[in-house]
Amino acid sequence: DTAVSQTPKYLVTQMGNDKSIKCEQNLGHDTMYWYKQDSKKFLKIMFSYNNKELIINETVPNRFSPKSPDKAHLNLHINSLELGDSAVYFCASSQTYYEQYFGPGTRLTVT
Amino acid sequence: GENVEQHPSTLSVQEGDSAVIKCTYSDSASNYFPWYKQELGKRPQLIIDIRSNVGEKKDQRIAVTLNKTAKHFSLHITETQPEDSAVYFCAALYQKVTFGIGTKLQVIP
Repeated sequence: DTAVSQTPKYLVTQMGNDKSIKCEQNLGHDTMYWYKQDSKKFLKIMFSYNNKELIINETVPNRFSPKSPDKAHLNLHINSLELGDSAVYFCASSQTYYEQYFGPGTRLTVT
Repeated sequence: GENVEQHPSTLSVQEGDSAVIKCTYSDSASNYFPWYKQELGKRPQLIIDIRSNVGEKKDQRIAVTLNKTAKHFSLHITETQPEDSAVYFCAALYQKVTFGIGTKLQVIP
């Protein structure tokens, strides 16, 4: 009965590699998000999709590309990984922009 | 865009004491103000929220107050317990959510 799930939970990779993180929600929400949480715990929104349509695209390097095949899924693909990309990435979903339900997070470590 | 300032960044209280975390926001159009709690290694979870047409909301030991004129809102935790130790985030929403930097609360037994 997991509400928002992400895979993988941990991701360790080398600089220059390309990786993807997958997110799925079974809450029937229309809006999904990707957040980055750095080592200082600051939560910063990266992208938001509403019914598969990109509605928020913050100042994020274009090495990051979100994809929403349907409103229950929002994946994040990262090209040419850099050391500064190391962080915890949270997927979240909400209905009409209010309470957000977060996934368990993906801890990305770039070496 | 919206800017949310949160303070203090760290807060230590004795068990049983009260804790107060304050936030200010810049966009007067913001109309929804949630508070999230994030325990170590876990995901943020909503603990209480308030909408712009309400000045105060309470849920057991936690309460939130909102002053729209001054554009600030606060989280109050009474009778703190060790399990209240976590990072707390305030946020403000108009068309998107903007989070504060977080407050690390430590409750000392």
